[in-house]
Amino acid sequence: QVQLVESGGGVVQPGGSLRLSCVASAFVFSDYTMNWVRQTPGKGPQWVAVIWHDGSKKYYADSVKGRFTISRDNSKHTLSLQMDDLRADDTAVYYCARSQHILTTLDHWGQGTLVHVAS
Amino acid sequence: QSALTQPASVSGSPGQSITISCTGTSSDVGGYYYVSWYQQHPGKAPKLMIYDVSYRPSGASDRFSGSKSGNTASLTISGLQTEDEGDYYCASYTSKTFGVFGTGTKVTVL
Repeated sequence: QVQLVESGGGVVQPGGSLRLSCVASAFVFSDYTMNWVRQTPGKGPQWVAVIWHDGSKKYYADSVKGRFTISRDNSKHTLSLQMDDLRADDTAVYYCARSQHILTTLDHWGQGTLVHVAS
Repeated sequence: QSALTQPASVSGSPGQSITISCTGTSSDVGGYYYVSWYQQHPGKAPKLMIYDVSYRPSGASDRFSGSKSGNTASLTISGLQTEDEGDYYCASYTSKTFGVFGTGTKVTVL
């Protein structure tokens, strides 16, 4: 069955950096657009970044533009999110999710990784 | 881009039907048939329950159904069961950015 496994979360000081990874299995990774979505307790999810199946196109939420970089290595079935200049309001659980044919429909999600930005 | 508006909570007794609304604008819910619904249990990732307004993915119970009228989409859960307790989120494509989620609804089975 489709599996998405995130890693790389942790505690970091404001202004610091973290790199999240998501390893995919049991599907043809290079055929699918992939997403990073984050969620803070008690709130709805929020799209952070999206990358098209071949990496040709990327979308970033305004709140992370210029600080976060999404990338993928289709040969290694891996999705990444480089997060720089982290702020307290970036604190959230970050999920890796696969897009369906309609790109804003997310049909499989990872278990999430917690990013906590605090001094 | 503001989040889609959902009621904070909805409750019902076992066996009853409940409906959760999701209100947006003509730039998102009203303009496209790209509304999806997600169920989330505490400490777990969201799970896709409905896509393209009214289609169920394999693995989703047929007690879940979706519809849309104007700028408001709805999720109906029929024959409510205790395992249906949790948080529910709608989402839609939006022409303004990329996609937008709803504010979330907590479903309680009385």
